[in-house]
Amino acid sequence: GDSVTQMEGPVTLSEEAFLTINCTYTATGYPSLFWYVQYPGEGLQLLLKATKADDKGSNKGFEATYRKETTSFHLEKGSVQVSDSAVYFCALRDTGTASKLTFGTGTRLQVTL
Amino acid sequence: SQTIHQWPATLVQPVGSPLSLECTVEGTSNPNLYWYRQAAGRGLQLLFYSVGIGQISSEVPQNLSASRPQDRQFILSSKKLLLSDSGFYLCAWSPQGEETQYFGPGTRLLVL
Repeated sequence: GDSVTQMEGPVTLSEEAFLTINCTYTATGYPSLFWYVQYPGEGLQLLLKATKADDKGSNKGFEATYRKETTSFHLEKGSVQVSDSAVYFCALRDTGTASKLTFGTGTRLQVTL
Repeated sequence: SQTIHQWPATLVQPVGSPLSLECTVEGTSNPNLYWYRQAAGRGLQLLFYSVGIGQISSEVPQNLSASRPQDRQFILSSKKLLLSDSGFYLCAWSPQGEETQYFGPGTRLLVL
């Protein structure tokens, strides 16, 4: 079945550092890929998505490129802020009728001053 | 605009007690609805999804059940809670035919 593998956290960075959170996937077809973010005590919010190979999703300074050849969707940000501290989930959508999402285990990011 | 509500926000229940968590969506019709559980230190696990009233699909067999009595209402239930039911329960919705899911604020359940 479909699966998503994320790098284990926590990831601790100083403010203005460069961020990369790795995500790779396994799927039989050509899934859509997502990054969701969960701030402390809250539900998940969609951060960005990409629906086909070589697409780049971007939002709030975060970017991720759909790489079919490496089955990856790594999340990057050039300069993180303390307010970016959260848990980040990579997910894929299978091609079934109910748009079911398969999530990775999440990566906690802690940004310090 | 669409909004999704979950209640209660937190719940502490003894082992063996019943459970009812409610999720409602406003501002849309005939949404797909989902229940996820996030156990401590783990990712999200899809528990149930629904594509219409009375239509429930279970992803993981367990002592939980779900019902959709109205178009925009999704209820997660249990007759007897287990310690392992503790976690953060998230409801989500998506428009029919669209990919993106929108999540509610979640319910934190602690079973003692």
